[in-house]
Amino acid sequence: SAVISQKPSRDICQRGTSLTIQCQVDSQVTMMFWYHQQPGQSLTLIATANQGSEATYESGFVIDKFPISRPNLTFSTLTVSNMSPEDSSIYLCSVTLDLADTQYFGPGTRLTVL
Amino acid sequence: AQSVTQPDIHITVSEGASLELRCNYSYGATPYLFWYVQSPGQGLQLLLKYFSGDTLVQGIKGFEAEFKRSQSSFNLRKPSVHWSDAAEYFCAVAPNYGGATNKLIFGTGTLLAVQP
Repeated sequence: SAVISQKPSRDICQRGTSLTIQCQVDSQVTMMFWYHQQPGQSLTLIATANQGSEATYESGFVIDKFPISRPNLTFSTLTVSNMSPEDSSIYLCSVTLDLADTQYFGPGTRLTVL
Repeated sequence: AQSVTQPDIHITVSEGASLELRCNYSYGATPYLFWYVQSPGQGLQLLLKYFSGDTLVQGIKGFEAEFKRSQSSFNLRKPSVHWSDAAEYFCAVAPNYGGATNKLIFGTGTLLAVQP
């Protein structure tokens, strides 16, 4: 498995501002993903973070709202832009070590937007 | 479209009793199948997975799951529940695209409460 850390672990933000969430892995990984989990809901994939190229977004999610970077094989960031209370959620990154492998999840970032 | 159904939103069992959490999926071929557990305020921890082979898979913490192709099910079981098993359990599938796992599709989760 991999040890995954996320920063910040939680934050309270004002409407209209942006927050960047970091995901750091202790080893090189093949794929990195970003999910969100709204209160009382299941997890939904936002995008796949591709190393050295633009992220691949799922239907309903756009780069302007959730810009993602992945500068190397151990690190990725997700920015939640121009936040509204509807963005209040837990944001989780996950990784796979190989293509045909399990996804391992970080501890999540709990975001509250006022 | 692929989907995962966990019909039980909330289950309460007594400590020491057996447990079965249901999961059904909708997918044209056999996907990769997973069970994750999420304790309050925690991230997701993998309990077990099925990729191929023996349809009864063993996981951590005494959990097991059985893949039944004819029923499109992957139910999670534990013979004797401990108070520490109280958590939310998520079934997930990953479409099998040439051996690559991506885009996990999660069920809505089952919240397990354990009575003393």
